[in-house]
Amino acid sequence: NAGVMQNPRHLVRRRGQEARLRCSPMKGHSHVYWYRQLPEEGLKFMVYLQKENIIDESGMPKERFSAEFPKEGPSILRIQQVVRGDSAAYFCASSPGLAGVYNEQFFGPGTRLTVL
Amino acid sequence: AQSVAQPEDQVNVAEGNPLTVKCTYSVSGNPYLFWYVQYPNRGLQFLLKYITGDNLVKGSYGFEAEFNKSQTSFHLKKPSALVSDSALYFCAVRPRNSNQAGTALIFGKGTTLSVSS
Repeated sequence: NAGVMQNPRHLVRRRGQEARLRCSPMKGHSHVYWYRQLPEEGLKFMVYLQKENIIDESGMPKERFSAEFPKEGPSILRIQQVVRGDSAAYFCASSPGLAGVYNEQFFGPGTRLTVL
Repeated sequence: AQSVAQPEDQVNVAEGNPLTVKCTYSVSGNPYLFWYVQYPNRGLQFLLKYITGDNLVKGSYGFEAEFNKSQTSFHLKKPSALVSDSALYFCAVRPRNSNQAGTALIFGKGTTLSVSS
């Protein structure tokens, strides 16, 4: 069973360009989370999605950032008009579609975004 | 505001010695508690979690953690450190009173563990 997959692993963009980060959850997982890790900081929650639904986007900036998890295909985190402050590692995690406390999240290797 | 504190940016220990990585939290109720490890250029790997029951939780790679309700702490421990344990360790919590399955984790800033041979 393959783990959580993210691509690309490294992404370089110039200011004003768009960045698209992809996440394929583990097989059988229907819950996806996106986190951002700034240099020398812990991970900060951005958004939580289930198939075709955004459940909690309280950690995502109101402008330029969007996320989706379509019925088919990977989850996408999209950053429009990137700025240097967007440079960070973006991690995706997934968990099984189980309610309750046994909500161990499995993390992908991350996408390191560098904005020039 | 709910938060997780890891008071030490770095912990240095010699191989074979016991190690402790500290974590305290400020979250209402009794949250679920987790430890993750991150190796360079890799994603986070789950080590262990506390849900309920025995305050001492055993996890992967010989690690264990002790939940202390009165001190709101969840320190990570290992009786005998290995050089290969050198990595970045994150403590995380999930509020217990959440009514949503799959609520996100709240992470500490991380502690770099360096084990010397």
